[in-house]
Amino acid sequence: DAGITQSPRHKVTETGTPVTLRCHQTENHRYMYWYRQDPGHGLRLIHYSYGVKDTDKGEVSDGYSVSRSKTEDFLLTLESATSSQTSVYFCAISEDGWDSSSYNEQFFGPGTRLTVL
Amino acid sequence: SQKIEQNSEALNIQEGKTATLTCNYTNYSPAYLQWYRQDPGRGPVFLLLIRENEKEKRKERLKVTFDTTLKQSLFHITASQPADSATYLCALENAGRRALTFGSGTRLQVQP
Repeated sequence: DAGITQSPRHKVTETGTPVTLRCHQTENHRYMYWYRQDPGHGLRLIHYSYGVKDTDKGEVSDGYSVSRSKTEDFLLTLESATSSQTSVYFCAISEDGWDSSSYNEQFFGPGTRLTVL
Repeated sequence: SQKIEQNSEALNIQEGKTATLTCNYTNYSPAYLQWYRQDPGRGPVFLLLIRENEKEKRKERLKVTFDTTLKQSLFHITASQPADSATYLCALENAGRRALTFGSGTRLQVQP
């Protein structure tokens, strides 16, 4: 497996509490992503980063914020968790380059199962 | 908006047969398309990438085709084995972002 870890792996929290999920990589890849996966919806992009302090929104970014202060770490924060944010969260990484000659294969972490009661 | 469709119904086949999974997309002209495998409780794993100028790509027992006119990719597993049982996801470049958009996946079950 690519060197990607996610923490925590499982978390149960209550509505209204803040939650931070961490993704850590040892591959020195430039791009990092946060997805959520729900039955019937597949993987949906929340936010992604294309470098330290460089981030952008995905399709389902409302209610989430991210930060990347180091190449190896990408944090996903739910400022005030809601039950609709109960999901499995995956972090992914890919190497630099989005031109037609690059591969852009993504490597995924093991996931974090978050339950908001 | 960009949309990717995969058959949500599980595909059940007998061991040794060829499995064929479909990925259709609309409102986009991707430069390439990727296929991933996901096992229960784990993150997706990259399998193959096919570019818009490639009609077919092979890797061992896997074959992918890409028809940009039909806006469709077919994913074939020949001589299927029970170990091939998993969910298979297709993905293409997310329009306007340096990221991927994934289909919801098709679950394949290979019976011994």
